[in-house]
Parts: sequence; structure tokens; C-alpha cells
Amino acid sequence: AQSVTQPDIHITVSEGASLELRCNYSYGATPYLFWYVQSPGQGLQLLLKYFSGDTLVQGIKGFEAEFKRSQSSFNLRKPSVHWSDAAEYFCAVGNGGATNKLIFGTGTLLAVQP
Amino acid sequence: DVKVTQSSRYLVKRTGEKVFLECVQDMDHENMFWYRQDPGLGLRLIYFSYDVKMKEKGDIPEGYSVSREKKERFSLILESASTNQTSMYLCASSLPGQGYTEAFFGQGTRLTVV
Repeated sequence: AQSVTQPDIHITVSEGASLELRCNYSYGATPYLFWYVQSPGQGLQLLLKYFSGDTLVQGIKGFEAEFKRSQSSFNLRKPSVHWSDAAEYFCAVGNGGATNKLIFGTGTLLAVQP
Repeated sequence: DVKVTQSSRYLVKRTGEKVFLECVQDMDHENMFWYRQDPGLGLRLIYFSYDVKMKEKGDIPEGYSVSREKKERFSLILESASTNQTSMYLCASSLPGQGYTEAFFGQGTRLTVV
């Protein structure tokens, strides 16, 4: 069965510092991978997605993620964090079928210190 | 832009009440989903629908039912609300495909059952 693990429940970084959020997945075939962000009291917004091709994917708001098949990972990175990046981040894997169900990780809550 | 609209942002209901959560999308998407979000558990799929009048159970369907009479509208029904159904409920929609089409989310409904 497919699953997603986000090992870090809560991360605090200083503004301007670099960020890496970890995501590991379990899936038998080629995974379809997504990162979503949720600001307080809001729905989820797609940051980026990967389904084939270049393993380094660029997204919105200066985020990128790298797919590493050998490590079953899809970590999210940003070189310099802004205070507005404080939010909860969810990694998800798609089931690859017509119904396009997404399985989500438990999320990582990012706090940004001034 | 795709818009997924949930009828209420906040809802307070009494134990035993029948509760309807409504979701409407304006992009003619075939797939629609209801997720429940709880701290530390991420998003868990309750039900999804891949066509009008078609539905399938997700991972946690107990205590819930759904209705999809029109393509744009997907309703989540709590037949007899209980306090353990206090949660954030998120509706999403997507196109059918090979898993790479992302899901678009509504703003969420925070339901409190007292």
C-alpha cells in the first residue's frame, strides 16, 4: 500500500536561513508526488509536483524539490526562508489511476523566527 | 482559476444532528473528494466520487455518507453527528488522469460537535 512519511512534525528556522523538509514515500510503481502548503485557516495550495522527467522540480514561491528514487524521497527546499513561509507543509503521493486519489503525510509545521 | 467553494467556514452542531457539508467546484472536474484533517494525522480520505452518482469509500468512511447528484456539487453527510467528528473538513476536485493532475482544495469547514 502506498504511504507518505514526513518525519519532522515541527521545524523552526530563522528568516533568511535555508530550509529542507523531508518526505519519504512508499509506492510500488512510478510515484506521482506533490507538495502542498496550508496557511493558517486556509485550504491547501499546490507548491509543486513531480511525475516524470527532471528530478529537480521548481515550484511557486521559490520552492524546489528533488525526487530521489534510490532513497524514496521527495524533499522540499528553499534557499532563503521568508516570514510569510510560516505554514504547514504536506507531502502527498498520487495513486496513478483515473480516480487520482492523493495520500497525504502528516504534515510539517514550519515556524520562522525573525 | 479553479475555484472550490465550501458552503461554511465554521459550523457548530449538536450531538445527534444530521449535518450537511456542501462543496461546489466550477471547473467541470470529474473527481471530487472529502478529506478530514486532524492535528498529527494529516489529511485522511473519507469518500471520493469520480462521476455523478458514483462514489467510493476512502480510508475513514464510518459515520459519513456522500451525495453527488450534479457534477459540480459533492455533499458530505454526517448522519448523526458525534463529538469525535469535530474536525476540519476539506473538499477537493481534480481531473481524471494518470495521477499527475493536482487536486484543488476548498478553504475548509471547521466543524465543532457539542
